[in-house]
Amino acid sequence: DSGVTQTPKHLITATGQRVTLRCSPRSGDLSVYWYQQSLDQGLQFLIHYYNGEERAKGNILERFSAQQFPDLHSELNLSSLELGDSALYFCASSAVEGNSPLHFGNGTRLTVT
Amino acid sequence: AQSVTQLDSQVPVFEEAPVELRCNYSSSVSVYLFWYVQYPNQGLQLLLKYLSGSTLVKGINGFEAEFNKSQTSFHLRKPSVHISDTAEYFCAVNDFSQFYFGTGTSLTVIP
Repeated sequence: DSGVTQTPKHLITATGQRVTLRCSPRSGDLSVYWYQQSLDQGLQFLIHYYNGEERAKGNILERFSAQQFPDLHSELNLSSLELGDSALYFCASSAVEGNSPLHFGNGTRLTVT
Repeated sequence: AQSVTQLDSQVPVFEEAPVELRCNYSSSVSVYLFWYVQYPNQGLQLLLKYLSGSTLVKGINGFEAEFNKSQTSFHLRKPSVHISDTAEYFCAVNDFSQFYFGTGTSLTVIP
């Protein structure tokens, strides 16, 4: 058990809808990262937050947004969903920036129909 | 920005045989290096990490990796694989700003 909790585990929704994925980092970890994993794109970095502040953006679409709250949990909001957004979304946390390894949750599997 | 290349997308190997999964990265500056394993329907789990010091790093489940600065490589090895090692393996690099992941190597252990 990595200590990173993601909810829900599975999500099935229709095109055009909006969903929110939630992540609770390991106790004491200040950094939260979001990744998207799909068969054709591999593991894609979306966004990184550190202690509530956005630190880096990767291949995150404008329809997607995220935030990290004062209690350090994070939410990833996906809107105007398309079939191609179907993927596994992972959250990972680390203690500090730099040499601390990432600890991954078990992911949220999103299916857009 | 860094790039991480995992040279083999699929590696089949017989049980109890040795295996090497290759990883090369682009940077010539100091980086931190990691290997992760992903079992079906699970998140990525840290296998081992290189931060500094000895270039041979030992991890969990009998895996080890060797850091080669001149070759910018960080290959993962195991002397004798088990069926339970069947999984996806990811090499990752951190250049003090963010993590970069390779595209993964699917290791299949054949009985």
